[in-house]
Amino acid sequence: GESVGLHLPTLSVQEGDNSIINCAYSNSASDYFIWYKQESGKGPQFIIDIRSNMDKRQGQRVTVLLNKTVKHLSLQIAATQPGDSAVYFCAENPKGGGNKLTFGTGTQLKVEL
Amino acid sequence: NAGVTQTPKFRVLKTGQSMTLLCAQDMNHEYMYWYRQDPGMGLRLIHYSVGEGTTAKGEVPDGYNVSRLKKQNFLLGLESAAPSQTSVYFCASSYHAVRGETQYFGPGTRLLVL
Repeated sequence: GESVGLHLPTLSVQEGDNSIINCAYSNSASDYFIWYKQESGKGPQFIIDIRSNMDKRQGQRVTVLLNKTVKHLSLQIAATQPGDSAVYFCAENPKGGGNKLTFGTGTQLKVEL
Repeated sequence: NAGVTQTPKFRVLKTGQSMTLLCAQDMNHEYMYWYRQDPGMGLRLIHYSVGEGTTAKGEVPDGYNVSRLKKQNFLLGLESAAPSQTSVYFCASSYHAVRGETQYFGPGTRLLVL
């Protein structure tokens, strides 16, 4: 079946630097992806999503890039702040699956002061 | 709006005991979901509901049962708890069943089965 996985389990960045969190997927038919942020002791929160008819989508301080050729997406966080410290998940919403999500394993982002 | 709430926040069970986790949402959402989250793994879907009175199996349904008697509540039951069910359980809801509708998550229930 499909799998959504992350390259690095932990990413440490200095406050103010940009962060890049990567995610790979295996199903070439996948066409809708979502990034979630999970702070310690809380449930996941929606950050941004992207469909396969786009290569890039921007939000407030966040940008998601989708490379369908190599089946890879990334979440970029500009000017990383201490409040960005969390686990970040990419998730796929498969075709034909209604609104069900398949989550990746997560990347821990640590912001160093 | 309280959003999605879950009770209890934490529970310890002995093997073989039963319990029910309650999820409530006050956003009038049609869809509700139960996930489990284990260390080093992403969230995995246990069961979901597309509306009051309906339930369906997700990726890892074995050992769990669910009920959606009221639109705002989604219950997850463990009839005979096993150590393998030690996990953090998250409930989520979305307004529609339409693909792409944002799922809103509760704060989670930590369950330890001894």
